[in-house]
Amino acid sequence: SQQGEEDPQALSIQEGENATMNCSYKTSINNLQWYRQNSGRGLVHLILIRSNEREKHSGRLRVTLDTSKKSSSLLITASRAADTASYFCATGYSIQGAQKLVFGQGTRLTINP
Amino acid sequence: DTGVSQDPRHKITKRGQNVTFRCDPISEHNRLYWYRQTLGQGPEFLTYFQNEAQLEKSRLLSDRFSAERPKGSFSTLEIQRTEQGDSAMYLCASSAGTSLRLEEQYFGPGTRLTVT
Repeated sequence: SQQGEEDPQALSIQEGENATMNCSYKTSINNLQWYRQNSGRGLVHLILIRSNEREKHSGRLRVTLDTSKKSSSLLITASRAADTASYFCATGYSIQGAQKLVFGQGTRLTINP
Repeated sequence: DTGVSQDPRHKITKRGQNVTFRCDPISEHNRLYWYRQTLGQGPEFLTYFQNEAQLEKSRLLSDRFSAERPKGSFSTLEIQRTEQGDSAMYLCASSAGTSLRLEEQYFGPGTRLTVT
């Protein structure tokens, strides 16, 4: 299976603290993307990092990519209650001129006020 | 609202019945994807369209599943003779089809199917 693994499966922290989630995958990728999903709803795209990039920032988000270890991490700084959600990494694999996303199982993040 | 829309948002059906879901992608997006997500799992790829052509199908898409995108705009996903194992969230996504390395997929809110 190409599906990656995410660690931890669940994370509970206090508001204001930083949250770090990790993702590992198995084969070469075009890019890696992180998505957020609030309970029972659609996925919201957070950030995309290309296979030749090592680090990317977007607001309070910081993503790293280590292609030699086939792993990525998502750091959310100064967490807020509104950050409570499931976070998924998705690796992009080429198909017929496009790409399909292969998602991990996700990390369920809870921010306690 | 110019995002991806899906209809219906929820569908409850009895085992053995047929169901059809609709997805309207972001206008001018030529690529459309269907994914399925079961409880506690990440989404799994089902199929992909470039314009009206269905170019890729997952082995998850059994013979009871059929997807169309007749005019290269909206898409439908039909499940025939539904089984309880079909209960899941069905997600649609679209993309502009530019650079593979920069391709971002935009997801709709999903259709939650419950088969009783």
